[in-house]
Amino acid sequence: GNSVTQMEGPVTLSEEAFLTINCTYTATGYPSLFWYVQYPGEGLQLLLKATKADDKGSNKGFEATYRKETTSFHLEKGSVQVSDSAVYFCALSDLPAGGKLIFGQGTELSVKP
Amino acid sequence: EAGVTQFPSHSVIEKGQTVTLRCDPISGHDNLYWYRRVMGKEIKFLLHFVKESKQDESGMPNNRFLAERTGGTYSTLKVQPAELEDSGVYFCASSHLGLAGGGNEQFFGPGTRLTVL
Repeated sequence: GNSVTQMEGPVTLSEEAFLTINCTYTATGYPSLFWYVQYPGEGLQLLLKATKADDKGSNKGFEATYRKETTSFHLEKGSVQVSDSAVYFCALSDLPAGGKLIFGQGTELSVKP
Repeated sequence: EAGVTQFPSHSVIEKGQTVTLRCDPISGHDNLYWYRRVMGKEIKFLLHFVKESKQDESGMPNNRFLAERTGGTYSTLKVQPAELEDSGVYFCASSHLGLAGGGNEQFFGPGTRLTVL
């Protein structure tokens, strides 16, 4: 069945460090890929998405590229801030519209000043 | 535009009791989803409504869980009787029906933290 695997956390970085959170997936067909973020005390928010191979999603300085050949969707940011401290979830949807999301286990990021 | 709201934000109950969680989706969103995250693990799908109909309930763990969406607006998720392993954070999400172009952006509520003692 379809699945998503994320690197385990917690990840602790200093402010302005480079961030990579690895995400790989297993899916039949052509899933859409997502990164969601959960800030402390809040619900999940969509951070970025990509709907086909080689698409790059970007938002708030974060980027992820849909790599079909490596079945990956790694999240990157060149310079993290304290305000980026949150839990990040990689997810896929195997239907073009209306399908359920399949999530990875989440990666907790803590950025220190 | 109001977001997805969930009630209560926290619930602490004893094993064997009944709890009902409520979700109000974004107005006009026909898709409504329930998910659960248990103890730092992955967020798992429970079920999906399209309007008032259950489209996919493959993630419902057992018959102690009952979800309804009367009238196609808000939804409730009842756990009866609750067991210790039901503890976790229950998320509700909603989206437009048949989102063109794919991507299926789901908007999540803040979650209900359920603790079963």
